[in-house]
Amino acid sequence: SAVISQKPSRDICQRGTSLTIQCQVDSQVTMMFWYRQQPGQSLTLIATANQGSEATYESGFVIDKFPISRPNLTFSTLTVSNMSPEDSSIYLCSVGGGGNTIYFGEGSWLTVV
Amino acid sequence: GQQLNQSPQSMFIQEGEDVSMNCTSSSIFNTWLWYKQDPGEGPVLLIALYKAGELTSNGRLTAQFGITRKDSFLNISASIPSDVGIYFCAGQPPTSGTYKYIFGTGTRLKVLA
Repeated sequence: SAVISQKPSRDICQRGTSLTIQCQVDSQVTMMFWYRQQPGQSLTLIATANQGSEATYESGFVIDKFPISRPNLTFSTLTVSNMSPEDSSIYLCSVGGGGNTIYFGEGSWLTVV
Repeated sequence: GQQLNQSPQSMFIQEGEDVSMNCTSSSIFNTWLWYKQDPGEGPVLLIALYKAGELTSNGRLTAQFGITRKDSFLNISASIPSDVGIYFCAGQPPTSGTYKYIFGTGTRLKVLA
C-alpha cells in the first residue's frame, strides 16, 4: 500500500481563520479522498479530489467551506475555511488501492478555539 | 440514508480472551472493509471481504461477509494489549462507485492485562 503523509499532524486554530492541510503520497494514485472524523465519531467522506479538475463533494459539504486542490497524482490539499469550533475534527486523506480498498493517512487533528 | 450499526459500542476484555464484534444494516453491500484505529493515528486496513459468506483471516483476526450481505463480523482470538483501539467496518453500497464506503459507528476495545 502507498505511504500517505499529512501536514500538519496537529494544529490549534483561531475561529474565523482558514487552514490548509497537505497530503503527499509516495506513488501516483488515481483516486484521492478527504474524510472528516468528528470527536468520538465515525468517518464521513467530504469529497473526491480529482486530478486536474474540480473536486466532487458529498452531500452536506461545499467548495466554499472545503476547497480542495489536486495538482498531480501524488498531492492534494484540503482547506478548512472560516473555521468555527464545530470544525474541530480529524481530517483524513485517503487513496484508493487494489481490490477496491482505501488506505488512510495518519490524519490532521484540528482544534478550533 | 444508509447506516451501519456496530455492536458492541465498546467492550472491556481480559487479555487472552476472544473478541467478537459485528456490523449490521438494513441494506445490502457489495464489499466490506474492516479497519483498526489506534489513538492518535489514522485507520489501518485489516481485512477486505468481497463475496457473501466469505471468511478471511489476517493473523489472529477473522472476518466474515454475512450471507444476507447486510452484515459482517470480526473476531479476534487470544487478545493482547496492543489490540486496544477502535475497530470500524465499512460497507460499499451497490449503488455507489468504486472506493465509496459508508463507515460504521465503531467498536472501542480495551484489553485488561
